[in-house]
Amino acid sequence: LAKTTQPISMDSYEGQEVNITCSHNNIATNDYITWYQQFPSQGPRFIIQGYKTKVTNEVASLFIPADRKSSTLSLPRVSLSDTAVYYCLVGDPMDSNYQLIWGAGTKLIIKP
Amino acid sequence: EAGVTQFPSHSVIEKGQTVTLRCDPISGHDNLYWYRRVMGKEIKFLLHFVKESKQDESGMPNNRFLAERTGGTYSTLKVQPAELEDSGVYFCASSQVISGSSHEQFFGPGTRLTVL
Repeated sequence: LAKTTQPISMDSYEGQEVNITCSHNNIATNDYITWYQQFPSQGPRFIIQGYKTKVTNEVASLFIPADRKSSTLSLPRVSLSDTAVYYCLVGDPMDSNYQLIWGAGTKLIIKP
Repeated sequence: EAGVTQFPSHSVIEKGQTVTLRCDPISGHDNLYWYRRVMGKEIKFLLHFVKESKQDESGMPNNRFLAERTGGTYSTLKVQPAELEDSGVYFCASSQVISGSSHEQFFGPGTRLTVL
C-alpha cells in the first residue's frame, strides 16, 4: 500500500490561499488520492478525492500532476475555522479490501 | 440524515475489565470500518465489515478484540480483557460505494477509551 509524506505543520493567515502538498511516489495505477480533515475531538471528515489532473468542490481543489507522484490540496481564502489536521491518503476505492492508511497528517494553523 | 454515531463517547476502565464499544453507521451503508488511534500514534485500521461479514480483520491487534455486526446494521467492538496499551480513541466509519461518486468514509466522533 502506497505511503504518503506531508509537511508536519503549516501556518497561514485568514483570507489567504493555503496549499498543502503530499508525496506518494509509490502510488499504484488504480489508486485514488483522498484528503480528510480532522478537528480535535472529532472524527475525520472527507474533503476531496481525485485520480488525475484537477478536482474542485465547494471547499477545496485538488491538483494532481501527470505522474501522480504528488498532489496538492488547495484551500481558498482560509478562515480560523480551517485550523485542523489534514490527511492525504492513497488507495483503490474499488478494491474490496479498501482501507484508509493514515499518516501523521499536516497540522494547519490559521492565524487572525 | 443522522451521521455515524458511537457510544459511549468516553470510557474509563481498569486493566482486566471488559468494554464494549458500539457504532451505528449511516442507514443503508454496507461498509463499516473500525479504526484506532493510540496516544501519539497514527490512526490505524482495525477491520472492515461488508454488511454482516468481516471483509478484512487484518488490523485487529490480538484475540482480546472481538467485533461483530449482527444483522448488518450496528457493530460492536469488545475488548476483553482490556490492557493498558488498549487506551486510545476508537473511530467507526461507514460508506456505501456508488458508481461514479467518490468513495467517502463517514466517521463517527470516536470513543475515547482509557484503561487504568
